Amino acid sequence: AQSVTQLDSHVSVSEGTPVLLRCNYSSSYSPSLFWYVQHPNKGLQLLLKYTSAATLVKGINGFEAEFKKSETSFHLTKPSAHMSDSAEYFCVVRSSNFGNEKLTFGTGTRLTIIP
Amino acid sequence: ETGVTQTPRHLVMGMTNKKSLKCEQHLGHNAMYWYKQSAKKPLELMFVYNFKEQTENNSVPSRFSPECPNSSHLFLHLHTLQPEDSALYLCASSQKLALSSYEQYFGPGTRLTVT
Repeated sequence: AQSVTQLDSHVSVSEGTPVLLRCNYSSSYSPSLFWYVQHPNKGLQLLLKYTSAATLVKGINGFEAEFKKSETSFHLTKPSAHMSDSAEYFCVVRSSNFGNEKLTFGTGTRLTIIP
Repeated sequence: ETGVTQTPRHLVMGMTNKKSLKCEQHLGHNAMYWYKQSAKKPLELMFVYNFKEQTENNSVPSRFSPECPNSSHLFLHLHTLQPEDSALYLCASSQKLALSSYEQYFGPGTRLTVT
C-alpha cells in the first residue's frame, strides 16, 4: 500500500520567518517524491522532486526538501517566507513496479504568510 | 504558463446539459491525465492516456467520457452530471518511459459548477 500524510492542513508564519511543511509517506517500493504548489485559481506547479539522487533537494523560489528514509519523511522548508508563498502545497509520492506506476497525492497544506 | 492549457476556465451547466472540457499540451509529452479536485479531498486521478490509448480508468462514472485524438489533445465529455460533480478538473501531461515517467505538468484547471 502507498500513502501520503501531510501532517498540517493549515500553517501560518510571519513574513521573513522559516517555513516548515511536513510530509510523511509509505511505499512498498523505492519512491519518487514531489512537492507541488497551487495558487488560487491556478493549476499545480512543480516545486521540487526527489528521484533517488541527492537526499537534499533544492527547488524553485528558495524551497528545499530532505528525503529521510529512516523517518519516511520529505518535509518542505524555506528559510525566509515571502508574501507570495501563500498558497496550497501538495506532497506527492510515486512508485513504479515494472512499469506500473502509482501516484498518490496528499490532502494539501494551506500556507498563509502574515505581513 | 506551464505549457498545458485548458478551456473553458469556468463552466456552469445544468444536470441535463452536454458539455466538453478541452486540454492541450505544448510540451511534446506522450501521456495525458484528467484529475478531479474537490474541496478537502486529495486529488483524484480519473483517466490516463499513453500514446493516445487509455491505460487507466479509476472507476469513473460513465457520465464522464474522455477522448484523446492525439498526444497533444485531451477532452472530457460531460453528460447528465450531478451536483456532486462540481469541482476543479485538472489536466496534466508527462513524458512516459517504458518503466517510469517524468514529473507531471498541470494546466490551470476548469472550475465546473453543476446546477
